[in-house]
Amino acid sequence: DAGVIQSPRHEVTEMGQEVTLRCKPISGHNSLFWYRQTMMRGLELLIYFNNNVPIDDSGMPEDRFSAKMPNASFSTLKIQPSEPRDSAVYFCASSFSGTQYFGPGTRLTVT
Amino acid sequence: DAKTTQPTSMDCAEGRAANLPCNHSTISGNEYVYWYRQIHSQGPQYIIHGLKNNETNEMASLIITEDRKSSTLILPHATLRDTAVYYCIVRVATGNTPLVFGKGTRLSVIA
Repeated sequence: DAGVIQSPRHEVTEMGQEVTLRCKPISGHNSLFWYRQTMMRGLELLIYFNNNVPIDDSGMPEDRFSAKMPNASFSTLKIQPSEPRDSAVYFCASSFSGTQYFGPGTRLTVT
Repeated sequence: DAKTTQPTSMDCAEGRAANLPCNHSTISGNEYVYWYRQIHSQGPQYIIHGLKNNETNEMASLIITEDRKSSTLILPHATLRDTAVYYCIVRVATGNTPLVFGKGTRLSVIA
């Protein structure tokens, strides 16, 4: 099994630009989670989906953030416009029966 | 989900057993104890979970006290590659709900 796949692994962009992070969950998993990790706040949930439906997006910082899951094998997290305070590592995780498996993360730097 | 308390950091000599404690005194009857670890710059990695019986897998053993108010993760023969932050998380296992990460324990395995 390839595990959870995230792309890109690293992203450097300028303030004001649009950023799109991508995630491919493990095949057969029906839940997908987006987390963000910073030194100040640690690991925190942004949004999660069950069966492609968003369940809880209360962790999304503001309207600049949006996430979609058009099908069971793909999800995107978009930031528009990006700001320096969005710099963090973004993790995607998927699960089927409770145990979550994480991807390698995308390290985002906004200058 | 119940709150957990872990020591901030621990050291362990290579080849010795690493015993990582976790307090979860407000755990409910339907909540499991999960352990994840995060090696520097990688995504969190699932280790083990349990409800009330002790559990063992190829990575570690989980010892849960009879009153379920605390547990210990045991890495039987720690190696340098086990250096990581270890997170103890209490959650309901059924259903796909998010993980709530605390600060964890930073384990340093020393040669």
